[in-house]
Order: sequence, then C-alpha cells, then structure tokens
Amino acid sequence: DTGVSQDPRHKITKRGQNVTFRCDPISEHNRLYWYRQTLGQGPEFLTYFQNEAQLEKSRLLSDRFSAERPKGSFSTLEIQRTEQGDSAMYLCASSLERGSGEAFFGQGTRLTVV
Amino acid sequence: GESVGLHLPTLSVQEGDNSIINCAYSNSASDYFIWYKQESGKGPQFIIDIRSNMDKRQGQRVTVLLNKTVKHLSLQIAATQPGDSAVYFCAEKRGSTLGRLYFGRGTQLTVWP
Repeated sequence: DTGVSQDPRHKITKRGQNVTFRCDPISEHNRLYWYRQTLGQGPEFLTYFQNEAQLEKSRLLSDRFSAERPKGSFSTLEIQRTEQGDSAMYLCASSLERGSGEAFFGQGTRLTVV
Repeated sequence: GESVGLHLPTLSVQEGDNSIINCAYSNSASDYFIWYKQESGKGPQFIIDIRSNMDKRQGQRVTVLLNKTVKHLSLQIAATQPGDSAVYFCAEKRGSTLGRLYFGRGTQLTVWP
C-alpha cells in the first residue's frame, strides 16, 4: 500500500492521559498536513509541514498539542492532558510541493476520550 | 465570516440518475478548489480539482463547474451508482496560504437502487 498510513486507527483514552499518533505520508511527498474532523463536520486544518519544517499552525492547535516531523518523513501528533473535547478523527494528508499540490488523506485515527 | 459551505446537507437519488452537489464559497482570493468523497470510517478521497482560471473540468463520470461571479462550485456525477453513496466535501485553497485547505460541512449523498 503506497498511500498515507496512520496508526493507530482507533484510540480510547482516559481524560488527562497523553496520546501520540503517527502518520507515514506517501514517500515522495514533501508536504504533510494534520486535520481534525468532528462528527458531521468537514476536516479542520491543524498544522502543516514542508519537509521537516512546521510552516503553519492553526489556532485550534492549543499548547497541549504538538506535532513533529523530525526527518521530513513520518510525523507524530501528540496531545497532552487529553480532554473530552479532543474526541475526534485526526486525519493526516500529504502532497507534492510542485504541480497542483492535491492532498491525499490517510484513513485517520479515531480518538475517544472518556 | 468567510467559509466554504454547502447548500444541501443531504441528497437522495436513484441509481442511474445524475447528481448535482453544490458548494458556496465567500473568499474571492481562493484560487484552487477540490472535491473530496468520504465514506464512513475512511479519510477523504480526492475526486477532482479545478483552478480559478477555469470554469469547467471533467473527469470520469464527474464534472466540476466553477462560477466565480457568484462564488459557486458544483460537482456533477453522471449515472450515479450505489458506490457513490458518501459524504462529499468541497475544499478551497486560498492563494496566500499554500498548505491549508478549508472544507465545508459536506453533503450526504444516498443512492437508492
């Protein structure tokens, strides 16, 4: 499978715990994005990397959220001290810098905070 | 505020009919638009895109129309099939922000056999 891969697919955690998600983009894609999607809504932008540089962060990305892409390949999204409002689908996407830059999405990680 | 939105939250069609899904946007700086299909429990899947210097683009069974005058985007699906049942989102990329896509709420398309 050469698409965007996310792990885990599902995560249930207790409020206050930390969680970390991983995204492996399409190998030749140098852009990587994180989005969050709640039920009945479209994805909302969280942050964006070009290679290892984090170029943009949404106001949705509070100080409890941190994303990294240390070697410009896979990325991790960590949420500290999770809250029930963090329950959502976390989507990763990747794209090429050149051309239209269309973003290809992974299957997402469904987070449930209880 | 500025947003990407959809006129209808749900659309039901019979198999074989054509479907039209609409999207309104309000940011005149948007220069690139994408339609995504999202099936239950899966990530959005790219369908077709269009740049702001075009008003029509065709793919396999799908056509996207862009009317910049009224800031309206539509997705036409020909000969709709049960496998087309999903939520459809339009997304816009605004010229000054390279990486970010802005999504609307989505339209749930249901195709009846």
